[in-house]
Formats: sequence, structure tokens, C-alpha cells
Amino acid sequence: AQSVAQPEDQVNVAEGNPLTVKCTYSVSGNPYLFWYVQYPNRGLQFLLKYITGDNLVKGSYGFEAEFNKSQTSFHLKKPSALVSDSALYFCAVRDPGGNFNKFYFGSGTKLNVKP
Amino acid sequence: DGGITQSPKYLFRKEGQNVTLSCEQNLNHDAMYWYRQDPGQGLRLIYYSQIVNDFQKGDIAEGYSVSREKKESFPLTVTSAQKNPTAFYLCASSGQGGGQPQHFGDGTRLSIL
Repeated sequence: AQSVAQPEDQVNVAEGNPLTVKCTYSVSGNPYLFWYVQYPNRGLQFLLKYITGDNLVKGSYGFEAEFNKSQTSFHLKKPSALVSDSALYFCAVRDPGGNFNKFYFGSGTKLNVKP
Repeated sequence: DGGITQSPKYLFRKEGQNVTLSCEQNLNHDAMYWYRQDPGQGLRLIYYSQIVNDFQKGDIAEGYSVSREKKESFPLTVTSAQKNPTAFYLCASSGQGGGQPQHFGDGTRLSIL
């Protein structure tokens, strides 16, 4: 069965420091991986995706993510955090198999960036 | 501007009442989804539809119903059988390609009166 894990409920980082939000996945087949951000009382916004090719993908608002096939991980990163990055972040995988339109989400990680 | 529109933003339900949440998209996406989000929690899939006139149950379909009569629209009815309906409901859509992400509406917050 396909699944996504975000091992940290919360990540705290100081403004200006690099940030990492962790995600591991389990899929049968080649994964389609996504990161989303959610601000309070809003829907999820798409940040970036990995489909194939370069293991480092760049996305919106200066975020990037590193795909590691051997560790089945897709960690979200940013070189210098902003207070405005404080939000809830979700990792997701699209089922590469028979149920192609189904997405599986991690439980979310709350990012707190302190001034 | 293409996107997903959910309405209303806030909704209140009385005991024994059914309520319907609206979701409309103009992205020409085939697949549409309904998720429930409880405070501080992740997303749980209620129903999804891959094509008009077809839909599948998700992980928590009990007490909910949907229809997909038009490609653009995927309304969700929260029935009186759903005993704990207070939550934030999110609608999403996606294109058919594997690299296509989901696009989300801004949600409807449902509360019990």
C-alpha cells in the first residue's frame, strides 16, 4: 500500500537559518511526489513536485526538495527561513499504480519560524 | 483566472439536518476530491471522482454523499447520519497526467448549532 510519513509534528527554526521538513514515502513503482503549504483557514497551495530526472527540485517561494530513492525520502528545504514561512506543510504521493488518481498525504508538519 | 471555488466559507448545521457544500472548478480537470480536516490534523479522503457520473468512497465516506453530474461540479452532502460533522472541508481537483498536482479550494468550515 502507498503511504507517506512526516516524522515531525513541528519544526522550529530561527529566521535566516536553513530549514528542513522531512518526508518519507512507500510506494510500489516510481513515485510522483509533491509538497504543499497550508496557511490558517486556507486551502493547500502547491509548492513543488518530483516526477523524474534531477534529484533536487526547485519550487515556489525559494523552497526546494531533495529526492533520495535509496532512503525513500523527499525532504523539503529552504536555505534561509522567513517568518512568513510559518505554516503547515504536507508531503503527498500520487499513486503510480492502478488507482492513478488517488493521492496519499502525510500528517503534516507545522513550521514555526521565529524572528 | 482558473481555480476551484468552494461555498459557503462558513456553514452551520442543525441536528438532523442535511447540508450541501458546493465545489466548482474551471480547470477542465477530470478528477475531483473531498477531504475532511480536523483541527491540527492531516487530510482524510471522503470521496473522489475520476470522471463524470462516477465516484468512489474514500477512507471516511460514512455519513456523506456526493454527485458528479457535470465535470465542473462535485457537491458534497453531509447527512444527519454523520454524527460529528464539525470540521474544515476541502475540495480539490487534478489533471490526468502523473505529474499533475492537486489544486485546492479555500475550504468550507462546518459547525453544529
